[in-house]
Formats: sequence, structure tokens, C-alpha cells
Amino acid sequence: QKEVEQDPGPLSVPEGAIVSLNCTYSNSAFQYFMWYRQYSRKGPELLMYTYSSGNKEDGRFTAQVDKSSKYISLFIRDSQPSDSATYLCAMRPHTGTASKLTFGTGTRLQVTL
Amino acid sequence: NAGVTQTPKFQVLKTGQSMTLQCAQDMNHNSMYWYRQDPGMGLRLIYYSASEGTTDKGEVPNGYNVSRLNKREFSLRLESAAPSQTSVYFCASRRGSLVTGSEAFFGQGTRLTVV
Repeated sequence: QKEVEQDPGPLSVPEGAIVSLNCTYSNSAFQYFMWYRQYSRKGPELLMYTYSSGNKEDGRFTAQVDKSSKYISLFIRDSQPSDSATYLCAMRPHTGTASKLTFGTGTRLQVTL
Repeated sequence: NAGVTQTPKFQVLKTGQSMTLQCAQDMNHNSMYWYRQDPGMGLRLIYYSASEGTTDKGEVPNGYNVSRLNKREFSLRLESAAPSQTSVYFCASRRGSLVTGSEAFFGQGTRLTVV
């Protein structure tokens, strides 16, 4: 049983659609939750960052954390072809200056014209 | 601003050969990490270094060694490469404090094939 579960997709949506990406986790010690975007043959880049439960919005992107359900989501509004990438959720506990990130396997998203 | 730089970008090794993957960051970060990424497995932590002079094993350390040469550089060594080590390797760094937003920055990856 993996600590972090993420549907691998691929997920194909038309341009302009609302996209919902999700992860579930089992470790209740996780306090920091991240979404990374990874374009093909590139390194992951940090997209969104949330501490504990709640919502965070940044432009077309909204991150939600529900710690009671151990469930996190990333919503993309008005999706664009440039959003086509693999989206990785990641999380870590609060303690320790080198507290390690645990990643989901990533969901591949394709936004079509 | 280079961020995290990895060399080489591509490498083909024969089984049993050794090599060192290099990583350098110019962000004055304390923590550095080596991950491997395989299809269906996501990013798995090989080794990490919380600060200069310290290293610790991650999830999949077998077959690897690391050296934190100084604050900027963190190398990963394969002593005797095996086909199971064919993967994409990512180095990452993080400021390493509890300050909000001090999350990991990744290099562009090294694609390693062991034949």
C-alpha cells in the first residue's frame, strides 16, 4: 500500500474545460501539500503549495486539502494546451529541516484544441 | 540564475561500469536530494543531505553512494551499474528551514540507460 495514491490517467480534456486532479494519502503526519507540474523530459516545477487543510487559489489553479478525508485536489479552470503535462502531488510532515517529500505517481493531462 | 544543474544529461553504461552523477545548486540551500523516476513508480528518494557534511538513506538507496562535497554540490555514484538502475535521476534542493514556501527545486534530470 503506497502512502500516496494518484490516478495515473492519462486524462484528456478539451481546451477551456475544468480539470480536477486528485490524490489520497494514508500518513496523518503529512502537513504540507504540494502540486508539481512536469513537462515531458523536464524536471518537476512547483505549482502550488498548501499548509494543512483549506483552499488556495493562484490564477486558474486552486488547491484544496481535506485532512479529515486525507484527500487533496488541484483544479485547473479554463484549461489551455500549455497545461498539458504530468501533475505530481507531493506531501511531507512538519518536523525536520530535511523532511522528505513523498510523491504520487503523477497524472498525465492532455488538453486538446 | 541556474538553480539546480545536473550533469550529464544523458548517459549509457554497460553493466558493471561505474559513474558519478553531478549536481550543483546556486541558491544557498541547505538540503539536497537525489530521486529516481520510473514509469508507474513516481519519484522515489535515493539519498538526501540535510546539511553540508550529512547524508542519509532514502527509500531506495541500494546500489548507490553519495557525497555532499560542499554546500553547493551533491553527487550520486553508481559503483557497479545494473540494468535495474536504468531510470531518470533528479537532483533537488531546498532551503531546509520550516519557513513556508521553502519547497524543493529540481534539476532537469539525467537519463541513464544501463545495457
